[in-house]
Amino acid sequence: EADIYQTPRYLVIGTGKKITLECSQTMGHDKMYWYQQDPGMELHLIHYSYGVNSTEKGDLSSESTVSRIRTEHFPLTLESARPSHTSQYLCASTRGPGREQYFGPGTRLTVT
Amino acid sequence: QQQVKQSPQSLIVQKGGISIINCAYENTAFDYFPWYQQFPGKGPALLIAIRPDVSEKKEGRFTISFNKSAKQFSLHIMDSQPGDSATYFCAASIADSWGKLQFGAGTQVVVTP
Repeated sequence: EADIYQTPRYLVIGTGKKITLECSQTMGHDKMYWYQQDPGMELHLIHYSYGVNSTEKGDLSSESTVSRIRTEHFPLTLESARPSHTSQYLCASTRGPGREQYFGPGTRLTVT
Repeated sequence: QQQVKQSPQSLIVQKGGISIINCAYENTAFDYFPWYQQFPGKGPALLIAIRPDVSEKKEGRFTISFNKSAKQFSLHIMDSQPGDSATYFCAASIADSWGKLQFGAGTQVVVTP
């Protein structure tokens, strides 16, 4: 089982609040990813990083931002949450030339 | 624009039956085709993957068939069990694309006892 962790697992928050979703992995993987997924639906890549101090936007436009100050940590921040941000957010990582992505359990975000 | 098209959207199969999920792609630069399994409340987990230099790969009850000329690949679940009830995603990626995966829309499989 992959060692990739996400906190919180569930979050209900009001409109306009700032939130940070945490993602950490203990596998020393260089590449990390954030996906947005509505329940049972397709995964959309919103951010990725190929190493410390590198971040790129994914295929789906997102108002969130990310940072990668340490190899093991890849947090996602929403400065002002809106109901349209309600979704599940999945973090994943992979190592070197390998293509297998290891996923965390996800954070289910509800913005009221 | 969805780069990997997956069908069917959902599937009900009896225990012991065969589940078949199909995916099609257009970009011939794709060179890695994994299948992920996702249970409710969990993140996806890699089930099996194939590269285009082989036409079939089997791991236990799970088999990927790959047709390069048709740009299609499929997942076969043999002797389906209730524990196989999950959502299955096909995906594809290109070498040197930072490992980015393009996912299909997913197939919800329900195996009835």
